Amino acid sequence: RKEVEQDPGPFNVPEGATVAFNCTYSNSASQSFFWYRQDCRKEPKLLMSVYSSGNEDGRFTAQLNRASQYISLLIRDSKLSDSATYLCVVTPYSSASKIIFGSGTRLSIRP
Amino acid sequence: NAGVTQTPKFQVLKTGQSMTLQCAQDMNHNSMYWYRQDPGMGLRLIYYSASEGTTDKGEVPNGYNVSRLNKREFSLRLESAAPSQTSVYFCASSEARGFITEAFFGQGTRLTVV
Repeated sequence: RKEVEQDPGPFNVPEGATVAFNCTYSNSASQSFFWYRQDCRKEPKLLMSVYSSGNEDGRFTAQLNRASQYISLLIRDSKLSDSATYLCVVTPYSSASKIIFGSGTRLSIRP
Repeated sequence: NAGVTQTPKFQVLKTGQSMTLQCAQDMNHNSMYWYRQDPGMGLRLIYYSASEGTTDKGEVPNGYNVSRLNKREFSLRLESAAPSQTSVYFCASSEARGFITEAFFGQGTRLTVV
């Protein structure tokens, strides 16, 4: 089983819609959680960290559920510019330097 | 700000040839990484270096070697390239701030092995 798993999508939603995706992780001792965004043929960039209490950044909301070992990303009022691949990232307690990526969820926003 | 710089950006190799991918960061980060990305596979960790002088295997280390030359530089070597190593390679660096470890990436090296 992969350490971090995501639904690859693609999610194809109309502009203005709300879309959510989950990511599950297998190591219950995982320490830190993040969402990265990757545009086509570009390098990944940090979108937001995921805190235990959940956190919001504008139209983006991230949640962590340690009991069920998943994190989620909710995008409200989606824009055409949100089209990208969203990568879930986990760092385990055993090695805070080891950063593991999920395979990514592809999101396409249509006009 | 340069951030993380990878060279080369593109490379075509013949099967069996060797090459070294170079990576340098100017953010004084302790940790550096090499990932490969194949279509539909996300980023897979090849090797990482938690600090200068240490390296560890990631998820897919076979066929690769690394050198953490100093705090700034972390190179990836393919001793005998194979078509299965055709991929996009990303170097990254990070620094832990409490529980937060943000990774910064280079622009990638697109490698084709024929």
